[in-house]
Amino acid sequence: QITLKESGPTLVKPTQTLTLTCTFSGFSLSTSGVGVGWIRQPPGKALEWLALIYWNADKRYSPSLKSRLTITKDTSKNQVVLTMTNMDPVDTATYYCAHRHLGGPGYYFDYWGQGTLVTVSS
Amino acid sequence: DIQMTQSPSTLSASVGDRVTITCRASQSISSWLAWYQQKPGKAPKLLIYKASSLQSGVPSRFSGSGSGTEFTLTISSLQPDDFATYYCQQYTSYSPANFGQGTKLEIK
Repeated sequence: QITLKESGPTLVKPTQTLTLTCTFSGFSLSTSGVGVGWIRQPPGKALEWLALIYWNADKRYSPSLKSRLTITKDTSKNQVVLTMTNMDPVDTATYYCAHRHLGGPGYYFDYWGQGTLVTVSS
Repeated sequence: DIQMTQSPSTLSASVGDRVTITCRASQSISSWLAWYQQKPGKAPKLLIYKASSLQSGVPSRFSGSGSGTEFTLTISSLQPDDFATYYCQQYTSYSPANFGQGTKLEIK
């Protein structure tokens, strides 16, 4: 059974760096083809894909946010970490991590965490 | 980047209705399209992948079709549990995994 859970601060100040951790079980990030992504959703708005890391440490980033994002993995701990620098109130959103469904050229997601709401405010 | 546009933004329907949601890509994505269902306060749920493949455990009243730039999600007979927001997402290898803006399915 695949599960994922996000953890991190619920409140950050503008200009601070956000660090979110996704802790997962039921799969290994050392298995060929496996990936974990991050997606966010501002209140009342649409989903926005942020980043993804593959089993081989290959990384993909949203072009519009690439300069602010870093995604890393710790295979031994079954964790993926997303950092986002220079946070702004417009970054207020629920942040989800998700498991890449195997198959296909890109990435879409079959298992999702419950999400964590991050508010950016002074 | 490939942009995804869904229509309508909001759809009002009744239990038992057949409904169709459309998703258009700004350029061809072959069949590399997924559909999700999201209920308030919950994470999205994968319904369809590769345009028409039903994810395991998803009721057969959901179906997807299309290729290239135009795709549809059809619910054959709406059930009370189906009132939610639906998103499409393209997953080509040459463009970021963009989502559509969502279609909210409301009770009429």
